[in-house]
Amino acid sequence: AQKITQTQPGMFVQEKEAVTLDCTYDTSDQSYGLFWYKQPSSGEMIFLIYQGSYDEQNATEGRYSLNFQKARKSANLVISASQLGDSAMYFCAMRPTNYGGSQGNLIFGKGTKLSVKP
Amino acid sequence: DVKVTQSSRYLVKRTGEKVFLECVQDMDHENMFWYRQDPGLGLRLIYFSYDVKMKEKGDIPEGYSVSREKKERFSLILESASTNQTSMYLCASSFRSEQFFGPGTRLTVL
Repeated sequence: AQKITQTQPGMFVQEKEAVTLDCTYDTSDQSYGLFWYKQPSSGEMIFLIYQGSYDEQNATEGRYSLNFQKARKSANLVISASQLGDSAMYFCAMRPTNYGGSQGNLIFGKGTKLSVKP
Repeated sequence: DVKVTQSSRYLVKRTGEKVFLECVQDMDHENMFWYRQDPGLGLRLIYFSYDVKMKEKGDIPEGYSVSREKKERFSLILESASTNQTSMYLCASSFRSEQFFGPGTRLTVL
């Protein structure tokens, strides 16, 4: 079964420090995509970063990087130099290639609530 | 910038009412999605649509229906609202990979 697991319901990090949010996935597909989204208290889902299963290099977007370990089926998000505005829910998601016959559908994890302390 | 809008940010309805949640996107995306989000459960897919008049059930379609008469608009319908449908509802659209989300509708059913 296709599944995303985020084992950390909540995390704290000191401002300006780096933090890693864990994500493991389960799929038998050879081709898939992995995403991270941020959801502030306002409720909007904000796309952060994407990693394709055939991408050899880890994706990076500014302060965000995705530590992709295909053999372990993990796709951890690393936020460097945390800022107070990083406090939010973070969701890991996977796009399996054959889900429901539609392109673009995502399976989400349950999320990790990150709190950045001043 | 892609924009996905939802008709209401907050909505309060009574049990048994018929409820319409509207979603509009302005980027000519083929795919549109409705999710509900509940604490501790993450986002769960209700329905999705990959073309006008096309729809497919997601993980939790019971108690919901959808309508996609125009490419830019995807409506979620609660035929007879129940208290267990109190939730945050998120609409999204996509072309290939990334999904773009609307601001969400927080629905309370009394």
